Amino acid sequence: DQQVKQNSPSLSVQEGRISILNCDYTNSMFDYFLWYKKYPAEGPTFLISISSIKDKNEDGRFTVFLNKSAKHLSLHIVPSQPGDSAVYFCAAASDRGSTLGRLYFGRGTQLTVWP
Amino acid sequence: EAQVTQNPRYLITVTGKKLTVTCSQNMNHEYMSWYRQDPGLGLRQIYYSMNVEVTDKGDVPEGYKVSRKEKRNFPLILESPSPNQTSLYFCASSPLYRTEAFFGQGTRLTVV
Repeated sequence: DQQVKQNSPSLSVQEGRISILNCDYTNSMFDYFLWYKKYPAEGPTFLISISSIKDKNEDGRFTVFLNKSAKHLSLHIVPSQPGDSAVYFCAAASDRGSTLGRLYFGRGTQLTVWP
Repeated sequence: EAQVTQNPRYLITVTGKKLTVTCSQNMNHEYMSWYRQDPGLGLRQIYYSMNVEVTDKGDVPEGYKVSRKEKRNFPLILESPSPNQTSLYFCASSPLYRTEAFFGQGTRLTVV
């Protein structure tokens, strides 16, 4: 049973506009959430993270929002650039219980930014 | 340069022939892990290691073995590969499991 879900396999956005990638999780014990970006033929690279004690974290054009009550997080990219076209993975981890040490990934969302 | 190195990058093998995919990191990270990426399934964790001699199963450990005898190395062993293990494999390391991870370039394995 998937604990981290990215329900949109793909997203297409025009350059300069906002990209919003969504992620839902089922395990309320998750304490940390991370976003990774992956280009073809490369390994994933870390983008941004947030802990459950915060509801927002910002790094340049990238902002992650966390809504714990809804078990939902989103990644905002503003403004979007063609170089942002990649697969984005959401991941979650917990400091507690049987999930300690594990990292759970969603299935990814392919973002395409067109000129 | 900080990096995670996997070898080989590409491998075609036959069913039942034991193989090892090596992974090495030069960042003195405690945590290392292996993932497989399959179309429509995203990244799934196979095994992870919190430190030397400490390993544990991830989501899909069946058919795989790992060892962590040294901090820098975390090889993935397929004792008797089968076609359903055809996949793209990634090794990753990080200071802690919940912090930024560095991934290797990937190993594309085909089992025929």
